[in-house]
Amino acid sequence: DAGVIQSPRHEVTEMGQEVTLRCKPISGHDYLFWYRQTMMRGLELLIYFNNNVPIDDSGMPEDRFSAKMPNASFSTLKIQPSEPRDSAVYFCASSPTPSGELFFGEGSRLTVL
Amino acid sequence: GEDVEQSLFLSVREGDSSVINCTYTDSSSTYLYWYKQEPGAGLQLLTYIFSNMDMKQDQRLTVLLNKKDKHLSLRIADTQTGDSAIYFCAESSGATNKLIFGTGTLLAVQP
Repeated sequence: DAGVIQSPRHEVTEMGQEVTLRCKPISGHDYLFWYRQTMMRGLELLIYFNNNVPIDDSGMPEDRFSAKMPNASFSTLKIQPSEPRDSAVYFCASSPTPSGELFFGEGSRLTVL
Repeated sequence: GEDVEQSLFLSVREGDSSVINCTYTDSSSTYLYWYKQEPGAGLQLLTYIFSNMDMKQDQRLTVLLNKKDKHLSLRIADTQTGDSAIYFCAESSGATNKLIFGTGTLLAVQP
């Protein structure tokens, strides 16, 4: 398997623009997680899905953030409108269990100017 | 709530042993984990320990767990320059069944 695949790897955008980050989990993994990593706040869990259903979105910062998982092989994290404080590395991870070994993608580095 | 703390930075010389420490708060955690993040990459699981164990050894890695003090450590023997990375400890929350990550420790290995 190719592992968790994220795109884009790097995104630079201007404040107010919509940003969509994409993730393809490992086939057969029922759990998908979105994390955000910054120097100030470390690694934060934003939301996770089980069998395509959002289970816990308590980490989503505000209404500007939304995440979907239309099928078992694809998820998106959308920020609309984006703000400079959203600049971070966003990781997608998948797992066969909710709290066992997580398999991380290489991340999407977002810079909002 | 759950909280996982680590020191931010550790510098060692190549060939020495490294010890990275972690404290956690959730006494109901079933498993505790160590992840490694190399520059520009995602986190990768290094090793884990079940909460009823005191120690686990895996080649150059030794994990020690003091459940009474809620203290976890990772010892890397014969540290190499390729071990330079950020190391995260994580606990599986008994309440939410989620992984709670620590702040990460940057390990710098000097040749």
